[in-house]
Amino acid sequence: NAGVTQTPKFRVLKTGQSMTLLCAQDMNHEYMYWYRQDPGMGLRLIHYSVGEGTTAKGEVPDGYNVSRLKKQNFLLGLESAAPSQTSVYFCASSYSIGGGTEAFFGQGTRLTVV
Amino acid sequence: AQSVTQLGSHVSVSEGALVLLRCNYSSSVPPYLFWYVQYPNQGLQLLLKYTTGATLVKGINGFEAEFKKSETSFHLTKPSAHMSDAAEYFCAYNYGQNFVFGPGTRLSVLP
Repeated sequence: NAGVTQTPKFRVLKTGQSMTLLCAQDMNHEYMYWYRQDPGMGLRLIHYSVGEGTTAKGEVPDGYNVSRLKKQNFLLGLESAAPSQTSVYFCASSYSIGGGTEAFFGQGTRLTVV
Repeated sequence: AQSVTQLGSHVSVSEGALVLLRCNYSSSVPPYLFWYVQYPNQGLQLLLKYTTGATLVKGINGFEAEFKKSETSFHLTKPSAHMSDAAEYFCAYNYGQNFVFGPGTRLSVLP
């Protein structure tokens, strides 16, 4: 039972390079999210999706793009990486939203931009 | 603004002692509250949640939390800490179409 799977788990980028983080869920969830986690700041929402083909901006969207071409996948792209994007990135999914439905998280991707 | 606050970014307890991690929410927050735990180098895992009904909620690993509307609190407790409880704990709630997390409290358990 895989749940939410993120690839890669670790990555080092040079400033200006691009990369894509992949999130896959096998729970048929409608909602998917990308968060970044920084010390003392909890998790901050980057982008989210309420269904296949839809995306929306979260709290800290600048410098990131996303796509949800298939229901089970949610991709996070960095077009031109900056040191400020050094962080741990988490993908999550949920069956619905509100009413106490919980989110399920992947294991995270640790990204360092040098 | 809607939010949750967690008092204490770092809490240390001795093994066997009571664990108390504090979470307060703003009164405009919908009453759907969660506690998540994050073990080192892992993702977040749901400990427990409050939706409706009984205000004392029991979760995994012996944790429980009580929803107190009058105090706008949802504190997490465990009667006796174990070394394996050392982790970071996040209080969270549903807002709109996403989840909002507190800043987290790192729990250390001393032998």
